[in-house]
Amino acid sequence: SQTIHQWPATLVQPVGSPLSLECTVEGTSNPNLYWYRQAAGRGLQLLFYSVGIGQISSEVPQNLSASRPQDRQFILSSKKLLLSDSGFYLCAWSRGGYEQYFGPGTRLTVT
Amino acid sequence: KNEVEQSPQNLTAQEGEFITINCSYSVGISALHWLQQHPGGGIVSLFMLSSGKKKHGRLIATINIQEKHSSLHITASHPRDSAVYICAVLKVPANTGNQFYFGTGTSLTVIP
Repeated sequence: SQTIHQWPATLVQPVGSPLSLECTVEGTSNPNLYWYRQAAGRGLQLLFYSVGIGQISSEVPQNLSASRPQDRQFILSSKKLLLSDSGFYLCAWSRGGYEQYFGPGTRLTVT
Repeated sequence: KNEVEQSPQNLTAQEGEFITINCSYSVGISALHWLQQHPGGGIVSLFMLSSGKKKHGRLIATINIQEKHSSLHITASHPRDSAVYICAVLKVPANTGNQFYFGTGTSLTVIP
């Protein structure tokens, strides 16, 4: 069966510090991968998606970036965090069908 | 204006009540997804719909493509149903990424 992992589960970082969130998927190959952010009181917002290794599409301009160094690994990064980057970050995968499967999420607080 | 609107934003019900959560969207879609987000943040998929009606246990989801509207019903609600329910749509034409666009969610609290 397929599973999706995210770490860390929670993170508190000061403004201006770097960020690296990791997502890995097990039990499937060549998945579509997604990064979402859920800010307090707001809906899920798609940040990045990837249909293959090294292929990243960005939905919104921001100080975040994403990379896919391996087939089942998706990384969300920032060189300098802003207060507005606080939120709940979710990784998801799909097999090209319509259904998406979400990871447990990372709660990021930028102080 | 958000392309996906949910109502109500917040809902409190007594245990056993019949609950309806609504989702309206303003774009053409190829599929609609109902998700449940637990207090810890984890999200699980409840239904994927492109037409008609689906039922799973006490949950029923319907969609009317012509009216651009979907409803999620919970029969005989229980405190463990307390969660945020999120509607998401896959717009047409769906590109290779199959990105979903999400409503802001309906926060449901079921009181014993």
